[in-house]
Amino acid sequence: DTGVSQDPRHKITKRGQNVTFRCDPISEHNRLYWYRQTLGQGPEFLTYFQNEAQLEKSRLLSDRFSAERPKGSFSTLEIQRTEQGDSAMYLCASSFGMKSAIFGPGTRLTVT
Amino acid sequence: AQKITQTQPGMFVQEKEAVTLDCTYDTSDPSYGLFWYKQPSSGEMIFLIYQGSYDQQNATEGRYSLNFQKARKSANLVISASQLGDSAMYFCAMREGANTGNQFYFGTGTSLTVIP
Repeated sequence: DTGVSQDPRHKITKRGQNVTFRCDPISEHNRLYWYRQTLGQGPEFLTYFQNEAQLEKSRLLSDRFSAERPKGSFSTLEIQRTEQGDSAMYLCASSFGMKSAIFGPGTRLTVT
Repeated sequence: AQKITQTQPGMFVQEKEAVTLDCTYDTSDPSYGLFWYKQPSSGEMIFLIYQGSYDQQNATEGRYSLNFQKARKSANLVISASQLGDSAMYFCAMREGANTGNQFYFGTGTSLTVIP
C-alpha cells in the first residue's frame, strides 16, 4: 500500500446519530493518530495508538468519542449522539520513527 | 502559551519567485522535531520537510528549505521558484521529546496564493 486511507471521505448525518470512521495506516507504521480540524484552524490532537494500545487521549475527546485499533492494524473512531459542533474534518496519520507522520485524506463530517 | 505560532494568515507570491513562511515555536524540551505540511483544497495533509532540534544543518527537500534559527525558536519554510500548484494552506508543526509517539502540535496555518 502506498499511503494512509480513510473511509468514508464524506459523511452527512443528523444530530443524535452515531457515526464510525475507519483508518488504514501504512502497514509498517506502528503508531496511529487521530486529529480533528475545523475550518480555518490547524489540526487538533484527539488520540494516539502504539500498536493496539491507546496511549494518549486529548481532553477534547469527550465520552461520546471512542477509538479502537484492534490487532494494531486499522483503527476506528466512533462518535455517539453527534452534535453540530462535531462537524469537522477528521484526519488520521501513521508514523514509524521521529521524522514524519503521513496523513490520510480525511473524513469530512457534517452534522445537520 | 501557543506551542506553534504562524503570524501570516495569507501570503501572495509571484510565480517563479521565492517566498518565506514564518513559524515560531515554544518548548522547554531540548529534543524536538519541527515539520511543515501542505494542505491543498482537497484537505489532505502532505508532509514537506523535517528538522530535528539537534540537526546542525538546515533541512532541504527539493524546492523546500527550512531556515532553522534555534536561539530565536523559529523554523521558517522557504519555497524557491514558486509554482501555481504551490497554492495551498501551509502548517508548521512540532513534536516534543525523545518519545517518537508524542503528539504533533500545529499552528493555525498560512494560506499561500501563487500569482501567474
